[in-house]
Formats: sequence, structure tokens, C-alpha cells
Amino acid sequence: GAVVSQHPSRVICKSGTSVKIECRSLDFQATTMFWYRQFPKQSLMLMATSNEGSKATYEQGVEKDKFLINHASLTLSTLTVTSAHPEDSSFYICSAREPPYITSTGTLRSSYEQYFGPGTRLTVT
Amino acid sequence: EDKVVQSPLSLVVHEGDTVTLNCSYEVTNFRSLLWYKQEKKAPTFLFMLTSSGIEKKSGRLSSILDKKELFSILNITATQTGDSAVYLCAVTSGSARQLTFGSGTQLTVLP
Repeated sequence: GAVVSQHPSRVICKSGTSVKIECRSLDFQATTMFWYRQFPKQSLMLMATSNEGSKATYEQGVEKDKFLINHASLTLSTLTVTSAHPEDSSFYICSAREPPYITSTGTLRSSYEQYFGPGTRLTVT
Repeated sequence: EDKVVQSPLSLVVHEGDTVTLNCSYEVTNFRSLLWYKQEKKAPTFLFMLTSSGIEKKSGRLSSILDKKELFSILNITATQTGDSAVYLCAVTSGSARQLTFGSGTQLTVLP
């Protein structure tokens, strides 16, 4: 199956610093990547949708100037948490979706499935 | 706004029991419903359902979707301690096919 990696897996940083998290699709090209945040004992909350070569689409309530997303290539998206504060401490997960494909009957289909990275645990002290 | 509700929020059973997890949704332009299992890290994919009434099965796990009543169930038979996890239901909708997650069901299987 498709593999998505994230780096780093765990990071501790001081308040006010910036942290960059990388998300890579290892064996497929991902035209779309998604960034989620998960607080303890809560579900995944979509932060933004990242499309290769264009600006990310942020969900309501997510500050785009604080959470900078760059999807510069078909296999890499980065999330930079700028001027991190303790309340940004969370588990950040990316997922990647394969591009549309053509079926054996010639129909163009979009992929529904998202492949998740292993997540990055961010702790801001 | 798309909404996914899972129940129960948590469940404690003993090994060998059968459990049923519920997921109901309200979304515009529904595309598919997905089930994931999350242990300590990122979710792992279990099933994707797009058609009503067709059961998907994988070992002791099975799932079915009812698009008329807008819900899905995930069944786990003969539970094992390794089934202990949070089970997440998510729905894709619209052309962007973003995932909207439910709050999850924390399943604990005791030996």
C-alpha cells in the first residue's frame, strides 16, 4: 500500500520559536495532502488542504499566518508552526491522496482514500 | 456544516465479546464513509463504504452502510485485547473529498 512519512516524529521547542514538519508520500505522487491536528482524547480536526503548486485552503478558525503550508512538489508538503505557543502542543498528522486515475473503461475517477503519515507530536514549553 | 457522530464514546468489553460501533452523519454531497483504527499513532484504514447494504468484511471486522438512514455500523466479533483502540468514522463529501471525522469510540477489550 501507499506509504506516507512524517518528520520529525516528535519535537519539543521553546515558546516563540518556529517548527517545520514534513510530510512525504514515498511511493506515489500526491496532488493533495491534508493536515490534521489531534488533541488528547479528541478526534482529528482538519486544519488545511494542500494542493501541489497552489495555496493551501484553510479550515475556519485556523490561522494561515501561523500555520504555514507549502506543497512545493508532488511528494512533499510542509507545515510550519510559527511563533509556537504551549497551546499549539498537539499531535499533527498529515495524509496524502493519490491523483485522479483512469479506469479500464476509460472513466476518470478520483481517489477517495487518504493515506496517513505516522504523526508528529509537538510539545511547546 | 458536515457532522459525524459516533456512539458510544467508549466501550469496555471482555475478550470474546462482540461489539457494534455506530456512526451517523449529516453531510451535503456525500461521497463515502470510512472506518479507521487508531492506536498510539496515526489512524490505519479499515474500510471504505460507498454503497448501501453491501457488507464489507475483513477477518473478524465487518461494516455496512445505510445511505437512507445515514449511518454505518462497524462490528467486531470474538474481540481480542489487540482490538483495543479508538475507532474513527469519517465521511468524505463534495468535490474536495475532505474527511470529516467523528469523535471516535474508545474500545477497551479486557483479557
